[in-house]
Amino acid sequence: EAGVVQSPRYKIIEKKQPVAFWCNPISGHNTLYWYLQNLGQGPELLIRYENEEAVDDSQLPKDRFSAERLKGVDSTLKIQPAELGDSAVYLCASSGTGGVGEQFFGPGTRLTVL
Amino acid sequence: RKEVEQDPGPFNVPEGATVAFNCTYSNSASQSFFWYRQDCRKEPKLLMSVYSSGNEDGRFTAQLNRASQYISLLIRDSKLSDSATYLCVVKGWDSGGYQKVTFGTGTKLQVIP
Repeated sequence: EAGVVQSPRYKIIEKKQPVAFWCNPISGHNTLYWYLQNLGQGPELLIRYENEEAVDDSQLPKDRFSAERLKGVDSTLKIQPAELGDSAVYLCASSGTGGVGEQFFGPGTRLTVL
Repeated sequence: RKEVEQDPGPFNVPEGATVAFNCTYSNSASQSFFWYRQDCRKEPKLLMSVYSSGNEDGRFTAQLNRASQYISLLIRDSKLSDSATYLCVVKGWDSGGYQKVTFGTGTKLQVIP
């Protein structure tokens, strides 16, 4: 069974440029999470979806970050414009409905903003 | 105060040693607890759930103390392959009625030959 798929794995951009990350969760997993992880820190939740509904986006910096999960399957996280402080690993995870059970993580996208 | 706190370490222990990590949480209404393992430059993976009665999986033992609001992870007979960061995870319900997942900052373990 395929795990959580993310692309790209690495992205280097200059500040003020836009960037987008894509995630395809495990088949049948209705709950999808986007996390940000800085070096030496644990993952910090950006947004959580139940199917196509964003049920927790309280930690998403909405002035520059946006996310969508239009058909309740794959999801895109966008940053526009990127800032130097956005350099981090962006992790996508999925789990059963309601967040029940184990979260499975994708390999992450390592973003470097120059 | 952070919702979930861990000693970042690093814990440097010799092979064969026993090592224990603690994690404290601030929300007394938290419902479920987990330990995840994260290898360098890899994604986190579930190590084990933590049950109220405590649970063991081979060399790993997890315990929950609700009264003092902490969970622990004990690793016996440490192996070189145990070197990783161990993340404490706490699940509960937020004011909106949704399940909230909070990760600790992780504790780094380095097992030395």
